[in-house]
Amino acid sequence: SQQGEEDPQALSIQEGENATMNCSYKTSINNLQWYRQNSGRGLVHLILIRSNEREKHSGRLRVTLDTSKKSSSLLITASRAADTASYFCATDTDKLIFGTGTRLQVFP
Amino acid sequence: NAGVMQNPRHLVRRRGQEARLRCSPMKGHSHVYWYRQLPEEGLKFMVYLQKENIIDESGMPKERFSAEFPKEGPSILRIQQVVRGDSAAYFCASSPLAGENTIYFGEGSWLTVV
Repeated sequence: SQQGEEDPQALSIQEGENATMNCSYKTSINNLQWYRQNSGRGLVHLILIRSNEREKHSGRLRVTLDTSKKSSSLLITASRAADTASYFCATDTDKLIFGTGTRLQVFP
Repeated sequence: NAGVMQNPRHLVRRRGQEARLRCSPMKGHSHVYWYRQLPEEGLKFMVYLQKENIIDESGMPKERFSAEFPKEGPSILRIQQVVRGDSAAYFCASSPLAGENTIYFGEGSWLTVV
């Protein structure tokens, strides 16, 4: 069964706004990763957060991890139209298990 | 350093034919993963291989699907007697070590069964 579930399934915002996506998972993890997928393309790794970390930043991305609640969030600040894509969380043991994704649309 | 290379990018097969999808991992990567993505859905794990070994095939359908990663050459995902429900994007990914940080994805192979 899928390990991760993203919420919301779809999100539409205006350029400049912040976008927050959430991910919940079911079992213990080594780390959690976020990926981005443009339509018709492969997945691009965005950020990895380890199970002993609570927050991590990379450019306009901020990821939090709450292992007690088995949840993570991805915040994209000052969004741009080019951020339009699907975003997936993935948890790993010896392989990555992906959530169902959040489709983000950023309107100019 | 070339990324994960998949071919063909697009493949059309008639029902009952065979589909072969190829994946060359990144240089130095000995672990390969195959995922399937149906339209508007997430990626579903299929199989994890190392050179000449299948490590985890828990996501592979019991029939018609097989995968290999020979000592030389690319990893192959083979689908025999394709049916319309096999139409999907098939993604390959590679990593240098098991459970190691990031895995790197190819651009995918889109299979359409007509």
